[in-house]
Amino acid sequence: AQKITQTQPGMFVQEKEAVTLDCTYDTSDPSYGLFWYKQPSSGEMIFLIYQGSYDQQNATEGRYSLNFQKARKSANLVISASQLGDSAMYFCAMSAYTGGFKTIFGAGTRLFVKA
Amino acid sequence: DTAVSQTPKYLVTQMGNDKSIKCEQNLGHDTMYWYKQDSKKFLKIMFSYNNKELIINETVPNRFSPKSPDKAHLNLHINSLELGDSAVYFCASSHGIVGGPNTEAFFGQGTRLTVV
Repeated sequence: AQKITQTQPGMFVQEKEAVTLDCTYDTSDPSYGLFWYKQPSSGEMIFLIYQGSYDQQNATEGRYSLNFQKARKSANLVISASQLGDSAMYFCAMSAYTGGFKTIFGAGTRLFVKA
Repeated sequence: DTAVSQTPKYLVTQMGNDKSIKCEQNLGHDTMYWYKQDSKKFLKIMFSYNNKELIINETVPNRFSPKSPDKAHLNLHINSLELGDSAVYFCASSHGIVGGPNTEAFFGQGTRLTVV
């Protein structure tokens, strides 16, 4: 069975500091994709970053980077230089072939950025 | 142009009514989904369609019936609405190549359903 676990219900970070949001996953499929999404208070789901299971390097997109540790089955999101606008819910997600055509989501982490 | 659009954005209805939510995507994706987000923000997949074919039905009550007239549309019809159906329903789409690059799901803005 596939599973995504986010163990941090809420996180606080000071503006301009970096923060790491944890995500672990479980799948027996060798081919899978890992994703992070942001959901601000307005409710829309915004795709942030993708990491493929065969990618050798960690993905980066602007201030977002994904710390991919395959052996540990972890895919932590690192946000550098936090901004007030980063305050939102963050969801880790995974899609894998054996799971069929679906992306499953973790429970989410609510990030609060303090001025 | 909105990539994934769903209507209505808000839906308030009485218990026992039947309602529909419409979803359309103009991204050329071949896979579409319905997700339910509960009050605790947990996102749970309900249905997945690939090329108009139902691929996944995640033990959703029979009162929920998706319909995909073509690859660009996936509508959700709900019969005999119950209080517990109150949630935000998201439509999404993606390329069907699971797990590969550029396979992220694109979401509609959500439909907040309130059953009273």
